[in-house]
Amino acid sequence: GNSVTQMEGPVTLSEEAFLTINCTYTATGYPSLFWYVQYPGEGLQLLLKATKADDKGSNKGFEATYRKETTSFHLEKGSVQVSDSAVYFCASSTGTASKLTFGTGTRLQVTL
Amino acid sequence: GAVVSQHPSWVICKSGTSVKIECRSLDFQATTMFWYRQFPKQSLMLMATSNEGSKATYEQGVEKDKFLINHASLTLSTLTVTSAHPEDSSFYICSARGRGGPFQETQYFGPGTRLLVL
Repeated sequence: GNSVTQMEGPVTLSEEAFLTINCTYTATGYPSLFWYVQYPGEGLQLLLKATKADDKGSNKGFEATYRKETTSFHLEKGSVQVSDSAVYFCASSTGTASKLTFGTGTRLQVTL
Repeated sequence: GAVVSQHPSWVICKSGTSVKIECRSLDFQATTMFWYRQFPKQSLMLMATSNEGSKATYEQGVEKDKFLINHASLTLSTLTVTSAHPEDSSFYICSARGRGGPFQETQYFGPGTRLLVL
């Protein structure tokens, strides 16, 4: 079956630091890949996605590239802000049912 | 963009009572809705998938008689937690997927409902 593995958190960074959150996947077929963000007390919001190999998803300064050769979809941001503090979930989906398989989430804490 | 709402956002109930949570897609037709449960500091666990007009498909280990799901229209799905007990306290999140283009490729999530059973 499908699975998604994320780096464990929490990740604590100073404002304006560079962020990388690693995500790797296993899947039958060619999954679509997603990053979702969950702010405290809220539901998940789609941050970015990529549907095929070499696609780059980007939004709000975050980027992730679908790497088929390394089965990875690492999330990056060049300069984080305090407002980026949240839990980030990597996810994959395949097939017509499009059920999402989530990683365990990585908590990011950005300090001044 | 696609908007999914949930109601209520917070509910506290006594043990043994039933609680209904609504999930609505506000600006698109949701052919499929998903219900998740999230425990503190953990990932989302898919409970069930429902297609409009069909019975829900439950994931292994989820009691279908306890968690009743109805998807009667293309904009509304409900989750009823029957005879709730303290162990049912959790954060329940729905998501919706529609027809065509981005609505078909992506699940759009509601803001979640926090249930506390006393």
